[in-house]
Amino acid sequence: SAVISQKPSRDICQRGTSLTIQCQVDSQVTMMFWYRQQPGQSLTLIATANQGSEATYESGFVIDKFPISRPNLTFSTLTVSNMSPEDSSIYLCSAEDRQRREQYFGPGTRLTVT
Amino acid sequence: DAKTTQPTSMDCAEGRAANLPCNHSTISGNEYVYWYRQIHSQGPQYIIHGLKNNETNEMASLIITEDRKSSTLILPHATLRDTAVYYCIVRFPSSINQGGKLIFGQGTELSVKP
Repeated sequence: SAVISQKPSRDICQRGTSLTIQCQVDSQVTMMFWYRQQPGQSLTLIATANQGSEATYESGFVIDKFPISRPNLTFSTLTVSNMSPEDSSIYLCSAEDRQRREQYFGPGTRLTVT
Repeated sequence: DAKTTQPTSMDCAEGRAANLPCNHSTISGNEYVYWYRQIHSQGPQYIIHGLKNNETNEMASLIITEDRKSSTLILPHATLRDTAVYYCIVRFPSSINQGGKLIFGQGTELSVKP
């Protein structure tokens, strides 16, 4: 299975600032995804990030707030912009092994906005 | 993507089989059934997936009914470390447009007790 790492693992940020979360996969993958998990809730898909194309955002999420980069087949970033306390969540990335039809998750980035 | 219905919580005695049910009555012909679990404060962990046939791996077995409207995840000998939230998800293969996305419901909170 693919091994996925995220940086930072946690952060405490001030309202109005931005944070970029990095996601690194140990193998080349076509599809990567970004999710948010608010306290006590299930995971919500933010966007799909395919290499060589713009990210596709789910309803309720916009590029200005959550810009995503996918510069190559092993790496992606998610930026949480102009943060407010409501953005306090765990942000997770995942990567799809298309051949095995299995999707693997990173450990998550715990963000607290004060 | 089809929705799934799972019990909110279940208990299981350590060493016994844990049988987690899932209803997905609106599943379409090319949607797969996936199971993930999330142990507290960790990223979701892939368990198993299937299309029509029953599947087994080193972690679990997946039993899909003939009409594909429901399935059961079986952990043959539950241990305390299996205590987690278990998610049943149906999704299109990533090979099709907009496929590959995992839409998480609320899952089943499984408590394995000594």
